[in-house]
Amino acid sequence: EVQLVQSGAEVKKPGESLKISCKGSGYSFTSYWIGWVRQMPGKGLEWMGIIYPGDSDTRYSPSFQGQVTISADKSISTAYLQWSSLKASDTAMYYCARREVTMTRGAFDIWGQGTMVTVSS
Amino acid sequence: EIVLTQSPGTLSLSPGERATLSCRASQSVSSSYLAWYQQKPGQAPRLLIYGASSRATGIPDRFSGSGSGTDFTLTISRLEPEDFAVYYCQQYGSSPRSFGQGTKLEIK
Repeated sequence: EVQLVQSGAEVKKPGESLKISCKGSGYSFTSYWIGWVRQMPGKGLEWMGIIYPGDSDTRYSPSFQGQVTISADKSISTAYLQWSSLKASDTAMYYCARREVTMTRGAFDIWGQGTMVTVSS
Repeated sequence: EIVLTQSPGTLSLSPGERATLSCRASQSVSSSYLAWYQQKPGQAPRLLIYGASSRATGIPDRFSGSGSGTDFTLTISRLEPEDFAVYYCQQYGSSPRSFGQGTKLEIK
């Protein structure tokens, strides 16, 4: 079964760092882009950025450039999203998703279950 | 950046009725790189439609997509109880990729 499994919920204080993960299985992890999507409480979806684990080519939305870092470790089929200094406004659900090219030409066909990040003093 | 505007914000219908959801882009979406996703409370989004009109694997044929350029439509021919959810369109032809703000489909 093709799936993305994300790390568990996090509760952090402003200014702390954080790295959340997304592990792929059931397919060739290095052959598909992995994207990250933010959903703030009660709000819509926001495209943050994307990485190709095969060569770590990474693209960011201008809204998130410099605010987060996306990385991947292909040896363990895992993508990451990290913050160096969290803010309360980073409180949100974060989804990873696989970008499928062959059939859909780039839509997100498989999604992780989401990681809830809460930042509060 | 392409801005996607979905309408209506909320659509109230009854099971068995037909639903028509709109997604309008601020610029032409290249090669119909337009997708629709369904999201139910507490769940991750699910891909319904890609390439503006192709159903994703396992999606019932009551869901259909149409449109090109700047105007796209998701139609649900006969609503089932499990179809009441929030629907998002996404363009993936231009960077940065972007989502619409969503349409909530609620039971009347």
